[in-house]
Amino acid sequence: RKEVEQDPGPLNVPEGATVAFNCTYSNSASQSFFWYRQDCRKEPKLLMSVYSSGNEDGRFTAQLNRASQYISLLIRDSKLSDSATYLCVVNRGGADGLTFGKGTHLIIQP
Amino acid sequence: DTGVSQDPRHKITKRGQNVTFRCDPISEHNRLYWYRQTLGQGPEFLTYFQNEAQLEKSRLLSDRFSAERPKGSFSTLEIQRTEQGDSAMYLCASSLGGPQRGANYNEQFFGPGTRLTVL
Repeated sequence: RKEVEQDPGPLNVPEGATVAFNCTYSNSASQSFFWYRQDCRKEPKLLMSVYSSGNEDGRFTAQLNRASQYISLLIRDSKLSDSATYLCVVNRGGADGLTFGKGTHLIIQP
Repeated sequence: DTGVSQDPRHKITKRGQNVTFRCDPISEHNRLYWYRQTLGQGPEFLTYFQNEAQLEKSRLLSDRFSAERPKGSFSTLEIQRTEQGDSAMYLCASSLGGPQRGANYNEQFFGPGTRLTVL
């Protein structure tokens, strides 16, 4: 089983719709969780950290279920500029390297 | 621009040649990471430094790869005797270590990467 699993997509979604991304991780010792966004041929950029209680940043909401080892990201009122690959990322804690999923490619259609 | 910088942005080399990449982290960050990304995959961790000490190396980092961070600031990644399978984007990231930022203090910020093509 891969350490971080995501559906690769692509997700084709009309502008204004709500988009949901899901991710599972295998290492129960994981302590830190993130969503990164990566545009084509660019570096990954931190979108948001994911906290146990869930957290929201504008149109973006992240949830963590430690019991199920499941992470989600919701984008409301999607914009054309949201088109990108969304990477689910976990970290074992401390200063360890990040473990990335393959990413889910999102295409917002006008 | 005070973000992570990498040089060169692109490198084309012939199989068997040695290449060296440089990374300059965000100035106050004490941790520096190297990753490799191939098409259709997420980045894969290679190694990391805390200040000048190299504290972890992935099994992906073969003997042909060596990384240094001699003064705890910039870092270099050298690949000796390059192979076509080394073709990838090499990404550097930095973070500010320490628990004061809360549970997710290992937020890492990435540079633009060096795209290596081995012919």
